[in-house]
Amino acid sequence: GDSVTQMEGPVTLSEEAFLTINCTYTATGYPSLFWYVQYPGEGLQLLLKATKADDKGSNKGFEATYRKETTSFHLEKGSVQVSDSAVYFCALRRGYQKVTFGTGTKLQVIP
Amino acid sequence: SQTIHQWPATLVQPVGSPLSLECTVEGTSNPNLYWYRQAAGRGLQLLFYSVGIGQISSEVPQNLSASRPQDRQFILSSKKLLLSDSGFYLCAWSPQGFNTGELFFGEGSRLTVL
Repeated sequence: GDSVTQMEGPVTLSEEAFLTINCTYTATGYPSLFWYVQYPGEGLQLLLKATKADDKGSNKGFEATYRKETTSFHLEKGSVQVSDSAVYFCALRRGYQKVTFGTGTKLQVIP
Repeated sequence: SQTIHQWPATLVQPVGSPLSLECTVEGTSNPNLYWYRQAAGRGLQLLFYSVGIGQISSEVPQNLSASRPQDRQFILSSKKLLLSDSGFYLCAWSPQGFNTGELFFGEGSRLTVL
């Protein structure tokens, strides 16, 4: 079945540091890929998405590129802020199938 | 615009007591509806999903149940709560039919079973 693997956290960075959160997936065909963010005490919200190979999703300074050859969708940001502290979930969906989530990676940014 | 609300936001219940969490969606028709659970330090576990009124699919056998009495209403219930039912419960919706697959989440309900 489909699966998503994320790097384990927590990830602790200083403000303005470079961020990478790794995500790889297993799925047949061409799933759509997503990054969701969950701020403390809240529900999840979509951060960015990519629907086909080589697409780059971007939002709020975050980027991720859909790499079919490595089945990856790593999340990056050039300069993190304290307000980026949250839990980040990688996810995929194939066609009509249900969305499959990774286990989440907690990011803590310290001033 | 579409909105999703779930309540209560916080709930503390004794073991063996019943549970009812409600979720409603506004601004869309015939959505797919989902209940997820997020246990402390763990990822998201899909509990139930529904593609229409009265149509419920269960992903994980447990003492929880779900119902969809109206098109945009989704209810999560239990007759007798267990300690292991503690967690953060999230309702979500997505448009019917093929789409890019984005889910729209509610604010969550934190359940503590004592």
